Amino acid sequence: AAGVIQSPRHLIKEKRETATLKCYPIPRHDTVYWYQQGPGQDPQFLISFYEKMQSDKGSIPDRFSAQQFSDYHSELNMSSLELGDSALYFCASSFPSGGTDTQYFGPGTRLTVL
Amino acid sequence: AQKITQTQPGMFVQEKEAVTLDCTYDTSDQSYGLFWYKQPSSGEMIFLIYQGSYDEQNATEGRYSLNFQKARKSANLVISASQLGDSAMYFCAMREGPGYGGSQGNLIFGKGTKLSVKP
Repeated sequence: AAGVIQSPRHLIKEKRETATLKCYPIPRHDTVYWYQQGPGQDPQFLISFYEKMQSDKGSIPDRFSAQQFSDYHSELNMSSLELGDSALYFCASSFPSGGTDTQYFGPGTRLTVL
Repeated sequence: AQKITQTQPGMFVQEKEAVTLDCTYDTSDQSYGLFWYKQPSSGEMIFLIYQGSYDEQNATEGRYSLNFQKARKSANLVISASQLGDSAMYFCAMREGPGYGGSQGNLIFGKGTKLSVKP
């Protein structure tokens, strides 16, 4: 079965640089979520999109922005990177069927800021 | 505020034995969903099992079962016949709300329990 695709899998950036993370949800899934997981931490919700519109916002810094495109893929744009942005970034997708709305996670993008 | 509590930072279990990972939650919503995810050392987040707040029966998925006690607000994961490949971090998570239309669908995670299976 098709899974959530994230690219790149690994990314190394310098402080103050920008980064763009991409997410391709499972086909027919209409909701995309972004989570940030710091080292030894639990995932923290950043932002979500439903049918290409932003639906919920969590602890996403103002330096970050995201959008969902017409083909349902999503991009997380990160500017003025800081050392503390080093983390594993997950994208998850879901399709509200039967009310479970289970979120399936991609493999993550490991961002290292030097 | 919504909260998930996992009180066991780490646990050991002998191969082929059963193990229970604890999870308690706090919410004022009547409609919510509870999930367990497995995160191996490789980092991916793997969905294991789901329990809805209105489900009357405990969820089961193969060797995984969820012991749902609504009055106690607990949703413990039971893994039967542990295997070496079960060694991983396990996260309990809660989704508040009905979970459709993209509304209030984000997950709140506990701190996780690191399970080690001994041969």
